[in-house]
Amino acid sequence: GAGVSQTPSNKVTEKGKYVELRCDPISGHTALYWYRQSLGQGPEFLIYFQGTGAADDSGLPNDRFFAVRPEGSVSTLKIQRTERGDSAVYLCASSLLPSGGGRTSYNEQFFGPGTRLTVL
Amino acid sequence: SQKIEQNSEALNIQEGKTATLTCNYTNYSPAYLQWYRQDPGRGPVFLLLIRENEKEKRKERLKVTFDTTLKQSLFHITASQPADSATYLCALDRYSSASKIIFGSGTRLSIRP
Repeated sequence: GAGVSQTPSNKVTEKGKYVELRCDPISGHTALYWYRQSLGQGPEFLIYFQGTGAADDSGLPNDRFFAVRPEGSVSTLKIQRTERGDSAVYLCASSLLPSGGGRTSYNEQFFGPGTRLTVL
Repeated sequence: SQKIEQNSEALNIQEGKTATLTCNYTNYSPAYLQWYRQDPGRGPVFLLLIRENEKEKRKERLKVTFDTTLKQSLFHITASQPADSATYLCALDRYSSASKIIFGSGTRLSIRP
């Protein structure tokens, strides 16, 4: 079946502009995650959705970053007034159930290919 | 805060040998530890998970060990092949938070023919 898809694959924008990044999770996956990955680093957690609600947004770096998942499926990560430091690969992942959440529960996260954002 | 350290330098291994990658962490003991593979331009792909009460787990040519006393995990690829060349990421759960996974910076592995 189809995996996690992300669009666009590449986005180049100018400093100060607004961007939206889209994630289509695997059908039926209730949990959705956004990560940011800079060159030479591992993915850094941004936000986690369980269904339509953001269960944990503690990784969002500041109030310029916002994400929605209005129908519990597709999610959009929105970045206002982009800065050069926002340049990175933005990864989306989905899973059947929340990963973590106790010492007995775990579900594998499936990652999309990412959107490479470049802010000039 | 939790820190994860992986070999920062690339690891070059002759085909057929065993590659061993190291993941060290500080502070709290995670409920489980995961290993992912990441190829250039792609998202990470889950390989193995090992729980805190497990010392070793195997999957085909892969073996992971977990030493909660040393706060270390070792990831082994036996009979390595050029196709195993990739970046390998170690990741831990944050038991205090139900959702977050903390990733290490990864180790780039190159298998030469």
